[in-house]
Amino acid sequence: EIVMTQSPATLSVSPGERATLSCRASQSVSSNLAWYQQKPGQAPRLLIYGASTRATGIPARFSGSGSGTEFTLTISSLQSEDFAVYYCQQYNNWPLYTFGQGTKLEIK
Amino acid sequence: QLQLQESGPGLVKPSETLSLTCTVSGGSISSSSYYWGWIRQPPGKGLEWIGSIYYSGSTYYNPSLKSRVTISVDTSKNQFSLKLSSVTAADTAVYYCASIRPDLDYWGQGTLVTVSS
Repeated sequence: EIVMTQSPATLSVSPGERATLSCRASQSVSSNLAWYQQKPGQAPRLLIYGASTRATGIPARFSGSGSGTEFTLTISSLQSEDFAVYYCQQYNNWPLYTFGQGTKLEIK
Repeated sequence: QLQLQESGPGLVKPSETLSLTCTVSGGSISSSSYYWGWIRQPPGKGLEWIGSIYYSGSTYYNPSLKSRVTISVDTSKNQFSLKLSSVTAADTAVYYCASIRPDLDYWGQGTLVTVSS
């Protein structure tokens, strides 16, 4: 099983600042990685797939990078609606999936 | 645009079988472009993949749940279903269905299932 580890568990950032979230895979997943945003009481929403491709309708302030075992989600200028929990997910051995444990992005 | 909607009992007794259905609209469940999946999230915790199915009936399950999970598809109703047997309190969670391409691009709103007597 591929284990996905996200860091930090909680990230405190002020609105307008940049946020950088990390995700590490226990073995290479190539670029088969997605990022999801989840707000309280809502289903997760796909942000990024293929490690760096924004999903339909996702603002350009969201960007993904990395390949192999190290990945990063960057939010360039935080808006109030961006404070949420973010999950990474590998699909390299699709259709067997694993998610990271999540990073909570909170207002500083 | 695809829409998915979970349905089923919100309360299940311990040792019984949890049964949920996901109805797909805005597209065909028989599309070759998609698999269909179930994911769950215990209260206050992270996401756990349960399993996936193709319209042909091919299934893939999380090894940790495989002995208790059955996912099936009904193409005539544009639905797929989840059965989880011998449930315990640890199976209390919000259960989501999603379309798989292989990232999860559309999700249902989720349904809370509580296991309690």
